[in-house]
Amino acid sequence: DSGVTQTPKHLITATGQRVTLRCSPRSGDLSVYWYQQSLDQGLQFLIQYYNGEERAKGNILERFSAQQFPDLHSELNLSSLELGDSALYFCASSAYKNSPLHFGNGTRLTVT
Amino acid sequence: EDQVTQSPEALRLQEGESSSLNCSYTVSGLRGLFWYRQDPGKGPEFLFTLYSAGEEKEKERLKATLTKKESFLHITAPKPEDSATYLCAVQAFYSGTYKYIFGTGTRLKVLA
Repeated sequence: DSGVTQTPKHLITATGQRVTLRCSPRSGDLSVYWYQQSLDQGLQFLIQYYNGEERAKGNILERFSAQQFPDLHSELNLSSLELGDSALYFCASSAYKNSPLHFGNGTRLTVT
Repeated sequence: EDQVTQSPEALRLQEGESSSLNCSYTVSGLRGLFWYRQDPGKGPEFLFTLYSAGEEKEKERLKATLTKKESFLHITAPKPEDSATYLCAVQAFYSGTYKYIFGTGTRLKVLA
């Protein structure tokens, strides 16, 4: 168990809809990273937060947004969903400097 | 440009047939190199951290080593349950934050 919790595990929704994915980092970790992994693809970095502040953006679409709350949990919001957004979405947390990422087990999003 | 390359892309081994996976990297200011195991539909599971050339880490049948340009994950006498995708990542610091650069992984299949 990595200590990173993601909910829900599975999400099925229709095109055009909006969903929110939730992540609770490991106890004590201030930094949260979001990744997207499509079928048989590598991990695509989306966005990073550190102690409530956005620190880096990757290949995140304008339809996607995220935030990190004072209790350090994070949410990834996906709107105007398209079929191509179907993927596994992972959250990871780290103690930051010289530390590995610890991943949750992901949310599998299916857009129909 | 910072880059992580893993080889081979896929590897099939007979049970008990030892081999090595390679991770070569070019990054400015390496803070750490990390190995992960990922099972289908699951989040990457952290295995090892390596910080400096010459360092070695071991866990059961796995041994990770690091040089200035690459890392190896040696698998000794593998078993079918070692079948998974193995990911390598490096951490670097730039633009005011710590970033993780992932390779695309080696898909390992161990046959009984």
